[in-house]
Amino acid sequence: ETGVTQSPTHLIKTRGQQVTLRCSSQSGHNTVSWYQQALGQGPQFIFQYYREEENGRGNFPPRFSGLQFPNYSSELNVNALELDDSALYLCASSLRTGVLIREAFFGQGTRLTVV
Amino acid sequence: AQTVTQSQPEMSVQEAETVTLSCTYDTSENNYYLFWYKQPPSRQMILVIRQEAYKQQNATENRFSVNFQKAAKSFSLKISDSQLGDTAMYFCAFMKEGTSGTYKYIFGTGTRLKVLA
Repeated sequence: ETGVTQSPTHLIKTRGQQVTLRCSSQSGHNTVSWYQQALGQGPQFIFQYYREEENGRGNFPPRFSGLQFPNYSSELNVNALELDDSALYLCASSLRTGVLIREAFFGQGTRLTVV
Repeated sequence: AQTVTQSQPEMSVQEAETVTLSCTYDTSENNYYLFWYKQPPSRQMILVIRQEAYKQQNATENRFSVNFQKAAKSFSLKISDSQLGDTAMYFCAFMKEGTSGTYKYIFGTGTRLKVLA
């Protein structure tokens, strides 16, 4: 078990609604990344937060947004949900010190179903 | 852009035997990291092994070892003495520093491994 926890574990939303997913990163970690994993696929990078600032983004539209808080926990917000947003959303936390990065530890994910 | 390819969608192995999972990647970078992650039905991605590209020595972690061929851009995972608990989806992943100091994983599509009793 890693120290990364995500909530909720499962969620069902209707197309057009908005959703907020939460992640509590491992103690001492200052970097949080979010990934989307569609069924049968590898995870795809959404964005990364380092010290409360977004410092990298994958090929996802602006309706995917996030926050990182002073305690390094994080939220992923998705507006105007589409059916294709149905996926497992993974949060990963890691420690970055200068130019060194350690491997990420993942949470158990939030399974989002859009109907 | 970097890509990671896992050409074996599914594999099976008898308990106590050895199995090798394949991974190739494409990059023009010289410094990067490679990983194998395991994802059991519980969904949590668990780090199996890590390799820094500048290290010539292959990484090992107990029953898990890699064959890192930098020139061939190949990074295979060998599991020795397979156990039922090794049944999972295995993902190969590439990471390097991007613009703005971003460190992101690029994952392959995974190999589903089943260990048979």
